[in-house]
Amino acid sequence: GNSVTQMEGPVTLSEEAFLTINCTYTATGYPSLFWYVQYPGEGLQLLLKATKADDKGSNKGFEATYRKETTSFHLEKGSVQVSDSAVYFCALGGGGNKLTFGTGTQLKVEL
Amino acid sequence: NAGVTQTPKFQVLKTGQSMTLQCAQDMNHNSMYWYRQDPGMGLRLIYYSASEGTTDKGEVPNGYNVSRLNKREFSLRLESAAPSQTSVYFCASSEAWGSTEAFFGQGTRLTVV
Repeated sequence: GNSVTQMEGPVTLSEEAFLTINCTYTATGYPSLFWYVQYPGEGLQLLLKATKADDKGSNKGFEATYRKETTSFHLEKGSVQVSDSAVYFCALGGGGNKLTFGTGTQLKVEL
Repeated sequence: NAGVTQTPKFQVLKTGQSMTLQCAQDMNHNSMYWYRQDPGMGLRLIYYSASEGTTDKGEVPNGYNVSRLNKREFSLRLESAAPSQTSVYFCASSEAWGSTEAFFGQGTRLTVV
């Protein structure tokens, strides 16, 4: 079946540092890949997505590229802010498949 | 535009009590979902409704029942709550089963003592 593995947290960074959160997946077919973000006390919201190999999703300075050869979808941001502190979930789905989530990675950004 | 609305936001139950979590969406979505979120486990699908009139089990359905009341509403019922059901519950909806984006409610934090 489909599965998603993402790096464990928490990840603690200083403001303006570079962020990478690793995500790898196992899937049958050609799923879409997603990053969702959960701010404290809120539900999940879609951050970015990529629907086919080599696509790059981007939003709010975050980027991730769908790499079929390495089955990865790593999340990156060049300069994090305190307001980026949240839990980030990698997920796959679409194409008739249910969403499958990773376990989430908590990011803490300090001044 | 409210999106996905869940009630209540917080609830404390005693073991053996029952309750229903309510969820409504105003985006005219066909598919709705119930997830639970536990530390270190991510989100796990409890039940889903691919379209009005249908419901199916997800990964962790034991101890729960659901009702797709109409296209807008999808409720989750705990018949006899157990401490293992202490969790944060999220309702979500999407245009269709397997759509490329799901929209989530704010969650219900449930504690069973």
